[in-house]
Amino acid sequence: DAEITQSPRHKITETGRQVTLACHQTWNHNNMFWYRQDLGHGLRLIHYSYGVQDTNKGEVSDGYSVSRSNTEDLPLTLESAASSQTSVYFCASRATANTEAFFGQGTRLTVV
Amino acid sequence: AQSVTQLDSHVSVSEGTPVLLRCNYSSSYSPSLFWYVQHPNKGLQLLLKYTSAATLVKGINGFEAEFKKSETSFHLTKPSAHMSDAAEYFCVVRAPNTGNQFYFGTGTSLTVIP
Repeated sequence: DAEITQSPRHKITETGRQVTLACHQTWNHNNMFWYRQDLGHGLRLIHYSYGVQDTNKGEVSDGYSVSRSNTEDLPLTLESAASSQTSVYFCASRATANTEAFFGQGTRLTVV
Repeated sequence: AQSVTQLDSHVSVSEGTPVLLRCNYSSSYSPSLFWYVQHPNKGLQLLLKYTSAATLVKGINGFEAEFKKSETSFHLTKPSAHMSDAAEYFCVVRAPNTGNQFYFGTGTSLTVIP
């Protein structure tokens, strides 16, 4: 079955370190997204991509970057981790703009 | 501008009683609306979606929602709660005038009391 997977599921890192969270989907979806989930905020969009070599900033993109070198993967990089980036991160994908999105299981990141 | 307001951050119901989770939206254009459910330590799963067809939408696990344009609402209901319904529920709007981005409500935590 096609799926979307995130790794790692849990990560503890130190302030100032670079961290990369992986997202891999096997549906061949063009659209991919990264969200962070924080209490009282729901899910907020960090970055998104509509296809290979396409990346766009979302609502809360400061301190994050993404790259899209192939259809299946959209890694999220925290250039210099900060305690404010402690959160649960969700990756999502969808086939087109008019279809539903499918979500990964989430990555819980703690920055100490 | 698009926004989603979930009117209750927490809802508690007894098992076997009806569930009502309220959602109001704001959108300049005809939106698509979704309800997603998140069980503890899990990803988000689609419950149901409204995309300009029938205003009463049926989803999985006995849930349904009614799109009311005049009230800008999309409330989620279920006639009889089950223990397994305990989870976080998110109302989501997708607006065509913003590249079809998803805008999430802040979530409603549903507790089912045995």
